[in-house]
Amino acid sequence: DADVTQTPRNRITKTGKRIMLECSQTKGHDRMYWYRQDPGLGLRLIYYSFDVKDINKGEISDGYSVSRQAQAKFSLSLESAIPNQTALYFCATSDSRGVTQANYGYTFGSGTRLTVV
Amino acid sequence: AQSVTQLDSQVPVFEEAPVELRCNYSSSVSVYLFWYVQYPNQGLQLLLKYLSGSTLVESINGFEAEFNKSQTSFHLRKPSVHISDTAEYFCAVSEYNNDMRFGAGTRLTVKP
Repeated sequence: DADVTQTPRNRITKTGKRIMLECSQTKGHDRMYWYRQDPGLGLRLIYYSFDVKDINKGEISDGYSVSRQAQAKFSLSLESAIPNQTALYFCATSDSRGVTQANYGYTFGSGTRLTVV
Repeated sequence: AQSVTQLDSQVPVFEEAPVELRCNYSSSVSVYLFWYVQYPNQGLQLLLKYLSGSTLVESINGFEAEFNKSQTSFHLRKPSVHISDTAEYFCAVSEYNNDMRFGAGTRLTVKP
């Protein structure tokens, strides 16, 4: 099984619908992140969480919300999807305990390709 | 906040030629620097990282990157590329105990 699992892998939804993307990890990492990838823009940070009680906005949080249900689970919601939220979404994890998180880099899931029509 | 600029969006090269993918960063404090690789239809994988110490870091598949503090650069190089190196490469920067910011990516295409 993958260390970081994202579901669904692909999703097509209609404008105005609510949709949730889920991420779960078996790495035991305390930190989790949501990024979106758009061609020519790279990865942009949506939200991040340094532990279960900590939620932080990233560069592009408008139109999104998150929930950290447990250390291993971090979900991203689009309350009312719009076409410009069509993108590839990645969940990532990192570990801050003991040494800095930088020593391990991030572990990424395989991504969710979301299309809003 | 930290930021990253990848200077080339696409780099086409022939097999066995050398390649350099350029990355510059901006930060007011000490940083950690990373290169990630993304193969088609996959997530990102860590290729190499600079945390401290030697400014030249290497990956297991022949890539290397050199941290240049005065030029705020972290360029990625490989002396001889293979078809299998075709992928998108992302440079990333992280300030101590902070989140990571990524560049826009460079698509490396290796032609036979």
